[in-house]
Amino acid sequence: GAGVSQSPSNKVTEKGKDVELRCDPISGHTALYWYRQSLGQGLEFLIYFQGNSAPDKSGLPSDRFSAERTGGSVSTLTIQRTQQEDSAVYLCASRSSVGTGTHNEQFFGPGTRLTVL
Amino acid sequence: AQTVTQSQPEMSVQEAETVTLSCTYDTSESDYYLFWYKQPPSRQMILVIRQEAYKQQNATENRFSVNFQKAAKSFSLKISDSQLGDAAMYFCAYGSSNTGKLIFGQGTTLQVKP
Repeated sequence: GAGVSQSPSNKVTEKGKDVELRCDPISGHTALYWYRQSLGQGLEFLIYFQGNSAPDKSGLPSDRFSAERTGGSVSTLTIQRTQQEDSAVYLCASRSSVGTGTHNEQFFGPGTRLTVL
Repeated sequence: AQTVTQSQPEMSVQEAETVTLSCTYDTSESDYYLFWYKQPPSRQMILVIRQEAYKQQNATENRFSVNFQKAAKSFSLKISDSQLGDAAMYFCAYGSSNTGKLIFGQGTTLQVKP
């Protein structure tokens, strides 16, 4: 497909379990972003990748959250020992380049709805 | 740190009428971008309109236009000839020109009445 894809679309887990959320960006997009959207709230920035490196991890809420990106493509957001406050929609976005002088649009995936019981 | 504020949690407009959604932001950067995104119940984020801070001319996309007041750090969205399909949550966002990272407001839910 041509768009950003995320899996799973929904995930229900028990408190204390680890979860992995996957993002497949648009092919060729070098920049990748993770955001979190709590119920009825705006999107909160989590982490930004340029290629495989993450120059900005400032939005990760705790050390239970981590993310990686391999091959400059797929990214995985991992939440360890999930808590009920982690329940939210996790959105991924990709962008073709950074610092070109024009601001390229971020294309968003459909999100993963995480519910922690 | 940059912040974005949308002071209208909910707005309502009659079909075919015009509505304006408000947004203010705070930043110390001189080079940045501003966006309005639409999020229908499907959760898919859709870019509505974009404004480069260095441009004085207000951006326009068909029925959507912005009123960008740089000195006042204000960026409102005007929707003309509102349609039922415009009903959604609208987010104002600040974009860093360096990293592209977006800072979002809390959103405004727009209801369009037939």
